[in-house]
Amino acid sequence: ETGVTQSPTHLIKTRGQQVTLRCSSQSGHNTVSWYQQALGQGPQFIFQYYREEENGRGNFPPRFSGLQFPNYSSELNVNALELDDSALYLCASSLGPQGANIQYFGAGTRLSVL
Amino acid sequence: AQTVTQSQPEMSVQEAETVTLSCTYDTSESDYYLFWYKQPPSRQMILVIRQEAYKQQNATENRFSVNFQKAAKSFSLKISDSQLGDAAMYFCAYRLTGNQFYFGTGTSLTVIP
Repeated sequence: ETGVTQSPTHLIKTRGQQVTLRCSSQSGHNTVSWYQQALGQGPQFIFQYYREEENGRGNFPPRFSGLQFPNYSSELNVNALELDDSALYLCASSLGPQGANIQYFGAGTRLSVL
Repeated sequence: AQTVTQSQPEMSVQEAETVTLSCTYDTSESDYYLFWYKQPPSRQMILVIRQEAYKQQNATENRFSVNFQKAAKSFSLKISDSQLGDAAMYFCAYRLTGNQFYFGTGTSLTVIP
């Protein structure tokens, strides 16, 4: 167990709806990264939050947004859901944003968009 | 473009034998970190081994070791004395000094009893 928890584990939404996914980081970690993992693919970086500020973003549209709270937990929000948003969403926490820091992953939220 | 290629979608190995998973990557940076992660059916990505690009010595972690060839941009994972619990999807990844991870598409490893 990594100490990174995600909720919910599974979620079913319909196209056009909005969704919020949650992540609690490991104790002492101030950095959270979010990834989208489509079926049969490797994770794709969405964005990273460091001390409540966005600290880098991958190639995802603005309808993917996030928040980090003072306790370093984080949310991923997706608006106007599309069928292609169906995927496993992973969050990972680390001691800091630098490349040397190991990222510890949660078990993910499986999102299905119908 | 930053890419990671895992050319073996599936591999199998007999229990107690050795298997090597291959990975190549493409970056113009000289300072970066390389990782192998394991993803069992439980979905949680588990770090297997890490290598700093500036270190010439190959990383080892118990039964897991890497063959890092920086000039060839190759980073293979060797699993010795394979165990049933090693069965999982294995992802190769690298990370620049900043924040973004780049993952390959994974290799599914089956361990045959």
